[in-house]
This record gives sequence, structure tokens and C-alpha cells, in this order.
Amino acid sequence: AQSVTQPDIHITVSEGASLELRCNYSYGATPYLFWYVQSPGQGLQLLLKYFSGDTLVQGIKGFEAEFKRSQSSFNLRKPSVHWSDAAEYFCAVGGTGGGNKLTFGTGTQLKVEL
Amino acid sequence: DAGVTQSPTHLIKTRGQQVTLRCSPKSGHDTVSWYQQALGQGPQFIFQYYEEEERQRGNFPDRFSGHQFPNYSSELNVNALLLGDSALYLCASMRGARETQYFGPGTRLLVL
Repeated sequence: AQSVTQPDIHITVSEGASLELRCNYSYGATPYLFWYVQSPGQGLQLLLKYFSGDTLVQGIKGFEAEFKRSQSSFNLRKPSVHWSDAAEYFCAVGGTGGGNKLTFGTGTQLKVEL
Repeated sequence: DAGVTQSPTHLIKTRGQQVTLRCSPKSGHDTVSWYQQALGQGPQFIFQYYEEEERQRGNFPDRFSGHQFPNYSSELNVNALLLGDSALYLCASMRGARETQYFGPGTRLLVL
């Protein structure tokens, strides 16, 4: 069975500070990994994805994530957070082994202090 | 290029009623998935449609059913509504089985 754990329910950072959101996954085959962001009352916007190749992937809005197979992790990072980054962030795993259905974590709520 | 669209945006029903939610996929996409997102939770996979057939299903009861039309649009039907069905219902589309899923804005369902 596939699963995702996001250990941090809430994170607060100051504007301009760096950010790392943690994600650990369990998947029986080669995983496809995703980070989505959700603003209040909105749908999900894709930030970045990993299918194969370079383990450091770049996304939109200055976000990046690193796939570490040995640690079953796919942590999201941003060097300098902006107030507009305040939102909920979801990590998800899928893959052809599961027909590409996505399994999501419970999310991390990011608050940015000005 | 229009993204994934869903209708209605909000809906209020009472227990025992039936509801139909609609989704139009992103242009060029032929696969539609539905997810349920309860308050404070991550989305949970309900089912996926491809070529008008249900290709995969998550752990949801038979009260949840769907349909995909020849133009790839899709409906989600929920019968005998329960209070616990109150949630944001998200539709996602993709091209084939190996691509990225793009999500619509969702339909917020409240069951009273």
C-alpha cells in the first residue's frame, strides 16, 4: 500500500527566512512524487514533480525538492519565503504501479510572519 | 487554454438526498479522477475514469458512482447522502496514465 507522511502539521517562518517542509513516502515500486499547494477555499496547484532522472527538481515560485530514495523522502525547500507563500502544502505519491492514483499526506499549514 | 472546471462551486443537501457533481477536463486530457477532501485532511482518491470506464477505485462505498462521457467530461454521483459526505470534491485530469494530474477548483458539498 502507498502512503505519505508529513510530520509537521503547522510551520511558522518569518518572511525572508528559508523553508523546508518534510515528506516521507511508502511505495512498492518507483514512485512519482508531487508537491501541491492549496490556498483557502481553492483547488490544488502543482508546485513540482519528480518522475525520474535528476533527484533535485525545480518548481514554480522558487520552490525545489530533493528525492532521496535511501530515506524515502521528498522534502520541499525555498531559500527565501514570501508572505504570499502562506498556504497549505500537500505531498503526494503515485506511479504506474498504482495506475497513477495519488495518495496525499495530511498537509502542512504554512504561516508567514511579516 | 481552459484548465479543469467543476460545477457547481457550492452545494447544500440534506441527509438521504442524492447529488451530482460535474467536471470538464483540461483540453487534451482523457483521464479524470475524483478526490474527496474532508476539512483539515488531504484529498482521498475516489475513482478514476478512462475511455468511459472506471479504471480504478479507492475505498469508497457503492453510494459513490461516476460516469465519463465521450467528450471526456465526468460526473460524480453520491446517493443516500450522509453528514460525513460533507467535503470538498476535487476533480483532476491528465493525459493517459503517466502524466501529471491537474486539479479543478472543487465543489464544496455541505450535507445537513
